[in-house]
Amino acid sequence: SQQGEEDPQALSIQEGENATMNCSYKTSINNLQWYRQNSGRGLVHLILIRSNEREKHSGRLRVTLDTSKKSSSLLITASRAADTASYFCATVSNSGYSTLTFGKGTMLLVSP
Amino acid sequence: GAVVSQHPSWVICKSGTSVKIECRSLDFQATTMFWYRQFPKQSLMLMATSNEGSKATYEQGVEKDKFLINHASLTLSTLTVTSAHPEDSSFYICSARDPLLYEQYFGPGTRLTVT
Repeated sequence: SQQGEEDPQALSIQEGENATMNCSYKTSINNLQWYRQNSGRGLVHLILIRSNEREKHSGRLRVTLDTSKKSSSLLITASRAADTASYFCATVSNSGYSTLTFGKGTMLLVSP
Repeated sequence: GAVVSQHPSWVICKSGTSVKIECRSLDFQATTMFWYRQFPKQSLMLMATSNEGSKATYEQGVEKDKFLINHASLTLSTLTVTSAHPEDSSFYICSARDPLLYEQYFGPGTRLTVT
């Protein structure tokens, strides 16, 4: 079942601007991951942040995690048209089962 | 990163027929694979967890007799949609978990259209 809620549902920005997407979840987690999906394609893993981490960087990506608020954010800096895609957060719970539970996703459109 | 392939990429079939989708891990042995379904503009919903050599574990609401999963080897899991209906039309994505790194790698997906 889905656990995460992303907001916004869709986001349209200009190239060069920053894009911020948020994800909230409900249960206790082991880690949270962000994925990207181009239209009609499979998922690309972007970044994983563990429950004991608060912030992580990878290139133009910055992810934060606030376990007290059960929320995470993904920031894409200096966006490019090629960043246009859907972005999903997915959580792995502490229940002992390592299945991924996906949020509803944010559709990002970056216009040239 | 590790590569997971799916075959076919897309398939169109008639109502009542069965369709088999293959998921292969190309450069590692995956004891566990996962099958997801994604409807247009929606998120991925886990259908079942496939464990090599044992029965798949299905999520609530997923009919195991309709979606047959076979994980006969450490590099191959198959999903067979039996007696397909138009409402089964969807994007099916598999993932394979690397037992050493414990990371999941996703296949490119298979688009099924049932007419």
